[in-house]
Amino acid sequence: AQSVTQLDSHVSVSEGTPVLLRCNYSSSYSPSLFWYVQHPNKGLQLLLKYTSAATLVKGINGFEAEFKKSETSFHLTKPSAHMSDAAEYFCVVSDPFTAGNKLTFGGGTRVLVKP
Amino acid sequence: GAGVSQSPSNKVTEKGKDVELRCDPISGHTALYWYRQSLGQGLEFLIYFQGNSAPDKSGLPSDRFSAERTGGSVSTLTIQRTQQEDSAVYLCASSLFSGASTDTQYFGPGTRLTVL
Repeated sequence: AQSVTQLDSHVSVSEGTPVLLRCNYSSSYSPSLFWYVQHPNKGLQLLLKYTSAATLVKGINGFEAEFKKSETSFHLTKPSAHMSDAAEYFCVVSDPFTAGNKLTFGGGTRVLVKP
Repeated sequence: GAGVSQSPSNKVTEKGKDVELRCDPISGHTALYWYRQSLGQGLEFLIYFQGNSAPDKSGLPSDRFSAERTGGSVSTLTIQRTQQEDSAVYLCASSLFSGASTDTQYFGPGTRLTVL
């Protein structure tokens, strides 16, 4: 069975400072991992995904994430936060042996960006 | 191009009534998923359709929930005899299906269901 734990339910940062959102996963097999963002009253948007091609994955809007198998982690970072980054972020795992690629979501991390 | 669309965007109903939620996937996407986002349970998988195969219903919480997909495109999620705990945002997603777990799922804006 697969599962995802996002270690922080809320993160507060100042504009222009780095952002770190932590995610640990559990999967029986080599997983696919995703980060999605959800702005208020909007749908989920894909930020980036890990496809085993490279452990450091670059996404949209300056975000990147590093897959560390030894630590079963897939933390999301951004060097400099912008006000528009205020949203909820979800770490997601998909087990390649699970029919239909059902996604399992973490509990979410709500990011607040202070001016 | 057009993304995944869902209707209605908001639905308020009384306990015990039936509701239907609609999803229009991205044209050409053969896989379609329904998820539910609620305060208590977070985001959880409900049901999955792929082509003409039998749907994967393993996430449906009770037999009051059902879904169909007509013509391999539009899908309708039906909740019978709604209960207050059914209040949530229902999200639909679609993807091209390559058989790989890296297929990106594209989400619609959701339908917010409130059961009074």
